[in-house]
Amino acid sequence: KAGVTQTPRYLIKTRGQQVTLSCSPISGHRSVSWYQQTPGQGLQFLFEYFSETQRNKGNFPGRFSGRQFSNSRSEMNVSTLELGDSALYLCASSSGGRETQYFGPGTRLLVL
Amino acid sequence: GQQLNQSPQSMFIQEGEDVSMNCTSSSIFNTWLWYKQDPGEGPVLLIALYKAGELTSNGRLTAQFGITRKDSFLNISASIPSDVGIYFCAGPDSNYQLIWGAGTKLIIKP
Repeated sequence: KAGVTQTPRYLIKTRGQQVTLSCSPISGHRSVSWYQQTPGQGLQFLFEYFSETQRNKGNFPGRFSGRQFSNSRSEMNVSTLELGDSALYLCASSSGGRETQYFGPGTRLLVL
Repeated sequence: GQQLNQSPQSMFIQEGEDVSMNCTSSSIFNTWLWYKQDPGEGPVLLIALYKAGELTSNGRLTAQFGITRKDSFLNISASIPSDVGIYFCAGPDSNYQLIWGAGTKLIIKP
């Protein structure tokens, strides 16, 4: 089974721009979660999508949004980028219950 | 809300040494997960624990689900260079959202 894939792997943007990150979950997994990780920090939960609906949301501003498509692929969007948005953005998929999450390699975003 | 406290924050060890780290919470968890993250990559699941008192091994790694359900331990025996990385504990809250510890960074002295 192919793992979780994320594109792009690396991205450089400037302040004020917007960015869209993509995540393809493991085949059959219907839940996709997004996390932000900054150096020296643990994983900060952004949101979770299950069957195209946002099921959980973390404490991030409205500039961070996401969606999930019928094939379970998910996208995350950050508008009006700030320097502090520079981070590794991780996507994880699970089959939706109490099962464990499987992570992609992440997208490293640098905001200049 | 629920929080997980991981310790130590970092460890410097010699190759061949055994390693112990733990994760504690003020509230009960029904599942404990241990992940490892290599630099620039996403976390990879090492061990999942589902029952209080459970002891599970994965090669040189052994993890235990504390009997109080408020803690978990991860041990690595005879460490090797590829053990370097950050180890995270995690557990699902009542909404099945994973709560994460801040991680234990393992560094092996040359």
